[in-house]
Amino acid sequence: EDKVVQSPLSLVVHEGDTVTLNCSYEVTNFRSLLWYKQEKKAPTFLFMLTSSGIEKKSGRLSSILDKKELFSILNITATQTGDSAIYLCATKNQAGTALIFGKGTTLSVSS
Amino acid sequence: EAGVAQSPRYKIIEKRQSVAFWCNPISGHATLYWYQQILGQGPKLLIQFQNNGVVDDSQLPKDRFSAERLKGVDSTLKIQPAKLEDSAVYLCASSLDPDRANEQFFGPGTRLTVL
Repeated sequence: EDKVVQSPLSLVVHEGDTVTLNCSYEVTNFRSLLWYKQEKKAPTFLFMLTSSGIEKKSGRLSSILDKKELFSILNITATQTGDSAIYLCATKNQAGTALIFGKGTTLSVSS
Repeated sequence: EAGVAQSPRYKIIEKRQSVAFWCNPISGHATLYWYQQILGQGPKLLIQFQNNGVVDDSQLPKDRFSAERLKGVDSTLKIQPAKLEDSAVYLCASSLDPDRANEQFFGPGTRLTVL
């Protein structure tokens, strides 16, 4: 059965800290891995990763994929209170037509 | 470009009552998804439509949940009768086609509380 596992499930840090969120996956016919940020509403897209070892970067956020070890990490440097959210990791299902999500990591950044 | 619209945004009902949610996807998006997100968990796909046909409803509890997309645009998701464990956020998403599942756009969700 395809699955996505995220860790930790929750994290509390102080502003300015750097955090690393983890996502491991077991998916038949892997195509891509996606990261989303979810505040109080709908998930918003952050990154899509398809190739190993190539870092995707957007501001203070970056992510990388390891297809050999079947995991990805999301890094956030110099965290701000606005980074407080649930971070979701997802992959396409076996058929490639829908997404399978992990449980998410709830990040709380205190000032 | 207008996003995915959902209504209502919040709904509180008692167990055994019925409830319906509505979703209007982005114009031109053939694929529509309904997800259930229980507190503390990631979204779980309930049903996926391609135009007005069902692609995947393997995780839809068919004894109480139903969904339709009669004209291939708007969709409704119904729960009848509701149980306490149905309390969740119901997210609708759309994409141009199934091959672009990684390019889904999500609506704001409907938060359902079953008392």
